[in-house]
Amino acid sequence: EAGVTQSPTHLIKTRGQQATLRCSPISGHTSVYWYQQALGLGLQFLLWYDEGEERNRGNFPPRFSGRQFPNYSSELNVNALELEDSALYLCASRSRDEQFFGPGTRLTVL
Amino acid sequence: QKEVEQDPGPLSVPEGAIVSLNCTYSNSAFQYFMWYRQYSRKGPELLMYTYSSGNKEDGRFTAQVDKSSKYISLFIRDSQPSDSATYLCAMSADYGQNFVFGPGTRLSVLP
Repeated sequence: EAGVTQSPTHLIKTRGQQATLRCSPISGHTSVYWYQQALGLGLQFLLWYDEGEERNRGNFPPRFSGRQFPNYSSELNVNALELEDSALYLCASRSRDEQFFGPGTRLTVL
Repeated sequence: QKEVEQDPGPLSVPEGAIVSLNCTYSNSAFQYFMWYRQYSRKGPELLMYTYSSGNKEDGRFTAQVDKSSKYISLFIRDSQPSDSATYLCAMSADYGQNFVFGPGTRLSVLP
């Protein structure tokens, strides 16, 4: 069974640009979670999608947004990038009460 | 007070040692508890999952949950250099709701 996949692996942008990150959940999983993990910090919850709907969002500004497609894959968009947005962005899909993480996208904002 | 607290480490132990990793939490509604292992620059990998209080054992790993004390632990027996990683605790109150993570403890097992 394939795990959670994320693309791209690395992304380099400049301040003010937009970034789009993609995630494909494990087959059969309908819930997708997005987290930000900045260097030296824990995982910060960003967004939760289930069955195509945004179910909850963490304490992040509106320039962090996303969507979930009919095939349950998901996209995270970050607009007006700031230097402090540099982090590892992790996607997870859920089976019952367990989350399974992808390898992450490392976003660097210059 | 943070919702989930975890000893930050780093923690260094010799190969073969018993390792104890701990988290405390403040939200008494948490009832789903997880431990993840994260290697450098990789995504977290689920190690153990427990529901409510009690112990769970899987090979060299044992997870303990004490809801009365709001305290969870992960024990690693016969630690190996390959166990060197950051260990994250996570917990959730409701089915499918927010998972709250601890900041992680970095563990180094020295050969």
